[in-house]
Amino acid sequence: IVMMQSPDSLAVSLGERVTITCRSSQSVLYTSNKRNYLAWYQHKAGQPPRLLLYWASTRESGVPDRFTGSGSETNFTLTISRLQAEDVAVYYCQQYYTSPSTFGQGTKLDIK
Amino acid sequence: EVQLLESGGDLVQPGGSLRLSCAASGFTFESFAMSWVRQAPGKGLEWVSVVYSGGVSRYYADSVQGRFTISRDNSRNIVYLQMDSLRAEDTAVYYCAKNHLGGYALYAFDVWGQGTLVTVSS
Repeated sequence: IVMMQSPDSLAVSLGERVTITCRSSQSVLYTSNKRNYLAWYQHKAGQPPRLLLYWASTRESGVPDRFTGSGSETNFTLTISRLQAEDVAVYYCQQYYTSPSTFGQGTKLDIK
Repeated sequence: EVQLLESGGDLVQPGGSLRLSCAASGFTFESFAMSWVRQAPGKGLEWVSVVYSGGVSRYYADSVQGRFTISRDNSRNIVYLQMDSLRAEDTAVYYCAKNHLGGYALYAFDVWGQGTLVTVSS
């Protein structure tokens, strides 16, 4: 499954809303449990990636509620409601519906 | 505290071999599948391999199939990645990562190590 993110990079003003999209080449919705096998990660320079959301919209423990995931089947969105300086990072989506698991190419987020 | 600590990264010549280790602590290691994920310089994340809880079921990315072998020692809480026939394009930071849920399928990764650098160059 090929994962495609857009945009590749963006710069947004502090306090503004950020939207990153992720599309999969085939559905990652497992119909038997109605779960989308899609995760989002935040990756800051010099640190390991951090899990933000899984099942497309379930926030990992400790993740601020300004991070929200939505979407189903092949189209997904990560939204940061009010950008803060510490959100500067590269964001990746990942499908774990089938092996090999695959990541999007990443979206680099900066402050404008 | 849940923790993963990788080791074994080094400079190696093309065609050479290297074994990475990942020591886990703070959780019931045998209950979770473990993966390796890499990031080449200036590139994105690439899933490399997974080993399920029992250690028998293992899966690989096409790019490493037949050259890399993943294994685990549940008595010592360690997962390994044996890398043979290394190529320049294997140069990357290699991360060990824990399944967020369960031991017998691929899921999201909720715990990551700090990574270990593998450089393949003559």
